[in-house]
Amino acid sequence: GIQVEQSPPDLILQEGANSTLRCNFSDSVNNLQWFHQNPWGQLINLFYIPSGTKQNGRLSATTVATERYSLLYISSSQTTDSGVYFCAVEDRTGGFKTIFGAGTRLFVKA
Amino acid sequence: SQTIHQWPATLVQPVGSPLSLECTVEGTSNPNLYWYRQAAGRGLQLLFYSVGIGQISSEVPQNLSASRPQDRQFILSSKKLLLSDSGFYLCAWSSGTGYYNEQFFGPGTRLTVL
Repeated sequence: GIQVEQSPPDLILQEGANSTLRCNFSDSVNNLQWFHQNPWGQLINLFYIPSGTKQNGRLSATTVATERYSLLYISSSQTTDSGVYFCAVEDRTGGFKTIFGAGTRLFVKA
Repeated sequence: SQTIHQWPATLVQPVGSPLSLECTVEGTSNPNLYWYRQAAGRGLQLLFYSVGIGQISSEVPQNLSASRPQDRQFILSSKKLLLSDSGFYLCAWSSGTGYYNEQFFGPGTRLTVL
């Protein structure tokens, strides 16, 4: 099945810094989503981005499907950005099977 | 707008006891429904998904089962819990129409098996 790798696994930022999170996947995928899991465990949808570039405030994402990667950009980070960021892909051959990466754990220091 | 509910929010159960976790979705019809488990400090693992009433696909052989008795209701069950069943259980839904399949998650249930 498809392998999803996220990097870096852990990231510590000073408030106001920018960062780039990466998601690599091993095969063609139907869909790709980025989520933020807050300290209470809630998964918050950030982007639905099977291809192209999207922006939402300080966050933006780019997926290059032909090269099998996606990037999540966080600019001017805030302490509330802390948490775990997950990339999830839907296996093109697997119906509605969704595979999550292991996540990037982000801590933003005040 | 669509909302997804899960209950209970937390649960502590002894080994060998039964389990029933419920998930319901409002504001949509014929959704795809999913159960995931997240072990502490880990990513999410897909356990079951359903594209319609009575249609369940299992992704990982385990001590758990799922049922979909109504269009917007998804239930995760076990007859006898194991210690390894502890974790954070998340239900999700997607529209299930065509190619677009963005998933939305419920608040989750934290299960501790002692």
